[in-house]
Amino acid sequence: DTAVSQTPKYLVTQMGNDKSIKCEQNLGHDTMYWYKQDSKKFLKIMFSYNNKELIINETVPNRFSPKSPDKAHLNLHINSLELGDSAVYFCASSRTSGSPYNEQFFGPGTRLTVL
Amino acid sequence: GDSVTQMEGPVTLSEEAFLTINCTYTATGYPSLFWYVQYPGEGLQLLLKATKADDKGSNKGFEATYRKETTSFHLEKGSVQVSDSAVYFCALSDRNNFNKFYFGSGTKLNVKP
Repeated sequence: DTAVSQTPKYLVTQMGNDKSIKCEQNLGHDTMYWYKQDSKKFLKIMFSYNNKELIINETVPNRFSPKSPDKAHLNLHINSLELGDSAVYFCASSRTSGSPYNEQFFGPGTRLTVL
Repeated sequence: GDSVTQMEGPVTLSEEAFLTINCTYTATGYPSLFWYVQYPGEGLQLLLKATKADDKGSNKGFEATYRKETTSFHLEKGSVQVSDSAVYFCALSDRNNFNKFYFGSGTKLNVKP
């Protein structure tokens, strides 16, 4: 069973389009994240939700809007796609019980290419 | 603020060579420290972790020791294999904010037969 899954795995689209990436985790975790990984492999946190509440919102253009319908799902919608949005987007989840062993579990990534 | 600094790659080694990837951190509190590995075309996987000073994390022959005095968490392996070729990320988790991870820039390891 896949712990953290993302769809689609690949997304190729034209500039100006709107697209969504979906993420689901079956680990029973209460916190989920979106990261962007650029071509140099640098990972940047974008958003984090805890029990459907937004708790981390880094400096990200307003064109990016996360949505968490329940604590097992976190979707990312991107409006008016730009060339610079091309990257690999990773979803992750973790348990936030206050334990220091709060490792994050990552999905396989969605490679977004904007033409 | 909190941050993680890793040695730049790529690191190229021959099979059975000794590996060290340096990682140092800056944190206001007492973070937990992690090493993640990313194989080509995949997501990140936890490799090992340590939550307090002098703890040693180990897995699959890799080791790293939490050194508070030098604020370091260097990754080591005594004998690398071709299958270890991947990108390695050092990360810290802020104890005051368990929700936030700070990742290093990643170090690519190439192991040649």
